[in-house]
Amino acid sequence: SSELTQDPAVSVALGQTVRITCQGDSLRSYYASWYQQKPGQAPVLVIYGKNNRPSGIPDRFSGSSSGNTASLTITGAQAEDEADYYCKSRDSSGNHRVFGGGTKLTVL
Amino acid sequence: QVQLVESGGGVVQPGRSLRLSCAASKFTFSNSAMHWVRQAPGKGLEWVALIWYDGSNKYYADSVKGRFTISRDNSKNTLYLQMNSLRAEDTAVYYCAREYYNSGTYGFDPWGQGTLVTVSS
Repeated sequence: SSELTQDPAVSVALGQTVRITCQGDSLRSYYASWYQQKPGQAPVLVIYGKNNRPSGIPDRFSGSSSGNTASLTITGAQAEDEADYYCKSRDSSGNHRVFGGGTKLTVL
Repeated sequence: QVQLVESGGGVVQPGRSLRLSCAASKFTFSNSAMHWVRQAPGKGLEWVALIWYDGSNKYYADSVKGRFTISRDNSKNTLYLQMNSLRAEDTAVYYCAREYYNSGTYGFDPWGQGTLVTVSS
């Protein structure tokens, strides 16, 4: 299967920790990467590989993976973290890319 | 700063064609695989196409295969997406993105600002 499944919506209290998950068979073979998208803006890479953050991404963002599930964790969520989050990986062929359906994160 | 700038979007009738461009700057374009990703209004991200750094291999989503063609001109630091036989369901913001490689793993970074394609009669 080339599908990646995400919960449509998640909420977190300000300053608390939240985990956003992504499930799919291809995650047993390929790492996920994670993207943050705020309204009206282009997506931004926040996590790639095992747990790599691009320059400029706060260290409260971290990634992990186990079996067919990849996770994005935000430790100490801030108001500015409210956004849509998408996971991405490859399909079983390794050539095509596939996105999860996205998770809308609300910071309360 | 590494940058991608898309252009070429607009309103087009069903069945017609459109070509998108993506101009790259401040990185070695000829060393990077490139992608097109689209987002229909109010919907999630959908991967569209990939082209290797030298143009030798191209891959497409099933939804566009046979209608869209990805290409590049490394001498002009520009990526293209030729879209033929357009359908209403191709209406979306189209983003180009670089496949960023570091420490043996990959991510899409950066992304362009996007260009809106509207297919409507």
